[in-house]
Amino acid sequence: DAKTTQPNSMESNEEEPVHLPCNHSTISGTDYIHWYRQLPSQGPEYVIHGLTSNVNNRMASLAIAEDRKSSTLILHRATLRDAAVYYCILIGGSQGNLIFGKGTKLSVKP
Amino acid sequence: DVKVTQSSRYLVKRTGEKVFLECVQDMDHENMFWYRQDPGLGLRLIYFSYDVKMKEKGDIPEGYSVSREKKERFSLILESASTNQTSMYLCASSPRGGGRAGNEQFFGPGTRLTVL
Repeated sequence: DAKTTQPNSMESNEEEPVHLPCNHSTISGTDYIHWYRQLPSQGPEYVIHGLTSNVNNRMASLAIAEDRKSSTLILHRATLRDAAVYYCILIGGSQGNLIFGKGTKLSVKP
Repeated sequence: DVKVTQSSRYLVKRTGEKVFLECVQDMDHENMFWYRQDPGLGLRLIYFSYDVKMKEKGDIPEGYSVSREKKERFSLILESASTNQTSMYLCASSPRGGGRAGNEQFFGPGTRLTVL
């Protein structure tokens, strides 16, 4: 399975934008890039996913590099409720199961 | 609101006991998954199912079995619980169609199982 690399932790101030990077240099052409987050004591929650083009939804934006070897999750205005561990995951093939790495622990300061 | 529910948030069992973890989804999803999550190891897939009465082994099926008699329910069974099965167990579901790789997975809140 293709691997992803994320920073262990990041800090942000409330109401400021946050850019969470992910490197996936061994991504294959059919791998989707998914982002999930996990709040303390909860199950993971889907955030966004994409294949080649940038994507926007009500939670976040996903910017995908042209060569697809990296991507960035953008939270436009961080809130205290966005404090969580964010996972960048590649999903390909027919199985579709998730393989979570260590993720980035995002702290949001008031 | 879409929902995946798990029968218990916390469970304490003794070594050798048979343990049942239940998962129910109300979204009419074809795919259901059981994962365990351990510190430093991320999520690991135990079993998954793409249809009723269908099951396939994931990465760590040893010591576990599953049952999918109805579309909305996917049960994880620990035949004889051991201390190394102490973990957070997460159930998820996703719809078929659009390519499995592109499908969002919906997770339950998890069951923290302690085996003494």
